[in-house]
Amino acid sequence: QQQVKQSPQSLIVQKGGISIINCAYENTAFDYFPWYQQFPGKGPALLIAIRPDVSEKKEGRFTISFNKSAKQFSLHIMDSQPGDSATYFCAASRGYQKVTFGTGTKLQVIP
Amino acid sequence: EPEVTQTPSHQVTQMGQEVILRCVPISNHLYFYWYRQILGQKVEFLVSFYNNEISEKSEIFDDQFSVERPDGSNFTLKIRSTKLEDSAMYFCASSDLLVDEQYFGPGTRLTVT
Repeated sequence: QQQVKQSPQSLIVQKGGISIINCAYENTAFDYFPWYQQFPGKGPALLIAIRPDVSEKKEGRFTISFNKSAKQFSLHIMDSQPGDSATYFCAASRGYQKVTFGTGTKLQVIP
Repeated sequence: EPEVTQTPSHQVTQMGQEVILRCVPISNHLYFYWYRQILGQKVEFLVSFYNNEISEKSEIFDDQFSVERPDGSNFTLKIRSTKLEDSAMYFCASSDLLVDEQYFGPGTRLTVT
């Protein structure tokens, strides 16, 4: 019940296209849903986050869509750039408790 | 911008040896965490620490592991007798009392031979 499921495992997108990564959770006690971006050899860096009382949050080219009833949320990267090539992890947590990570999506943006 | 720092960046050790991984959390943060990531896999929670005691630990965090905040700035993870399967990236994270975001350090790559 603590799992966060993430898909796809890998994604190749043309420069300028839209990258979409999907996640689903089971534990309704989660109240915070961050997305992390990780470059090779680096730690996860917080990209954007949402709480379940909001259905969408946008920061620049990055948008989270949240469907509380379906227990699903997704990350949309608009106008994808080669510099966006990284591994993206969705995650969930409750308060100050541990962050539960998804399995990761390796995004490659090709010119 | 304040950040979490970790040392060393890479540690190579022989099976059975003790290792200590060090972290300096963001200065005003009160919650501290250790996670690990085996190559190519997801990030897994090990332990959380608040008010000088463990608040939660995972099944991975067995008697071979311990954490300590020896002074006002450092937070350490000790593995008493390393195994081959302990080879992974170890990430320290910290968070503030007022927000839920956890900020991760750059990690220590532990290689057990």
